[in-house]
Amino acid sequence: DAEITQSPRHKITETGRQVTLACHQTWNHNNMFWYRQDLGHGLRLIHYSYGVHDTNKGEVSDGYSVSRSNTEDLPLTLESAASSQTSVYFCASSDHRVYEQYFGPGTRLTVT
Amino acid sequence: LAKTTQPISMDSYEGQEVNITCSHNNIATNDYITWYQQFPSQGPRFIIQGYKTKVTNEVASLFIPADRKSSTLSLPRVSLSDTAVYYCLVGDRGTGNTPLVFGKGTRLSVIA
Repeated sequence: DAEITQSPRHKITETGRQVTLACHQTWNHNNMFWYRQDLGHGLRLIHYSYGVHDTNKGEVSDGYSVSRSNTEDLPLTLESAASSQTSVYFCASSDHRVYEQYFGPGTRLTVT
Repeated sequence: LAKTTQPISMDSYEGQEVNITCSHNNIATNDYITWYQQFPSQGPRFIIQGYKTKVTNEVASLFIPADRKSSTLSLPRVSLSDTAVYYCLVGDRGTGNTPLVFGKGTRLSVIA
């Protein structure tokens, strides 16, 4: 069955380190999204991609980057982790129907 | 993007029908109304979408009045397993140019 996976599921890192969160989907979806979820803020869009080599900034993109070299993967990189980036990160994908997104299980990131 | 307003939280007893209303006064002609459900420790999942009048599926019903300035998600005979956060989103259905915006959602607690 097609699915979307995220790794690692839990990560603890130190301030200033570079961290990469992986997202892999097997639906062959063109659209992929990264969100963060914090108490009191709901889900906020970080970056998104509508196809290979396409990337776009969301509402909270500062301190994050993505690259899309193939259809299946959209890794999220924190260039220099900060304590404010402690959060749960969700990856999602969709076909042309961007309103119907399939979400991964999430990665809980703690920056100490 | 059309802004949405929905209650922060709701409580209900098992077996009751639950109606969650979302206000979207500046909805555009091309916008659709989409609802997602998020269980604790999981990513959100799409449950229903509509443009006008009524849409029903195996999970819920969506009622949209003629002026489309609000919508109501109806969950029939809720059970404890319906405890979740419900998000109302408004946006263009499929161009993909404007990604959906998740707000803070409505936290539904079902009580035995």
